[in-house]
Amino acid sequence: GAGVSQSPRYKVAKRGQDVALRCDPISGHVSLFWYQQALGQGPEFLTYFQNEAQLDKSGLPSDRFFAERPEGSVSTLKIQRTQQEDSAVYLCASSLLDRTGEAFFGQGTRLTVV
Amino acid sequence: SQQGEEDPQALSIQEGENATMNCSYKTSINNLQWYRQNSGRGLVHLILIRSNEREKHSGRLRVTLDTSKKSSSLLITASRAADTASYFCATDVKNTGNQFYFGTGTSLTVIP
Repeated sequence: GAGVSQSPRYKVAKRGQDVALRCDPISGHVSLFWYQQALGQGPEFLTYFQNEAQLDKSGLPSDRFFAERPEGSVSTLKIQRTQQEDSAVYLCASSLLDRTGEAFFGQGTRLTVV
Repeated sequence: SQQGEEDPQALSIQEGENATMNCSYKTSINNLQWYRQNSGRGLVHLILIRSNEREKHSGRLRVTLDTSKKSSSLLITASRAADTASYFCATDVKNTGNQFYFGTGTSLTVIP
């Protein structure tokens, strides 16, 4: 179980529904990143944690997006009142120290808002 | 906005041939990473090259970095059908916070 694990793999939400996406990083990894990837595009940064501290949330597209990592391990990305434009793959990555090292990504959660 | 741009956008080759894809970026970096993504799957880390390095190898992969031209290339030798995927470069840009910047990727098809 050495990799980054994300759940669920797929999520279909009705517009207006709240969703929570989970990321289990590699054990012992200090840094954790969330990215959003639209179809046919490269991943776009959402937010960054160093242990439990959210050091950068500049990429979160609106205040409907919220992320936490309360114990410095598992992280949850929550999207409130989902809209169709939120449909994307949400990727989580972790790295041992900071962003200057290799970052390992999970399989992602594909969110479809209908 | 995306910092890195891969070129070409799409590449189709025969199995056994070499594949070269390029990444250009705009500002100074600490390092650059290459990732592979199979359709509908997550990103698989391939290689990290630091700004003071010029070339790195890993198996059939060879990555070069030219900081004067702000560009990197990924060479896959003796390609296999299983190499069919999208390839992304991600740059760690100096003094810009905590994110990696990805390009839009090169879609590689290896024909058996």
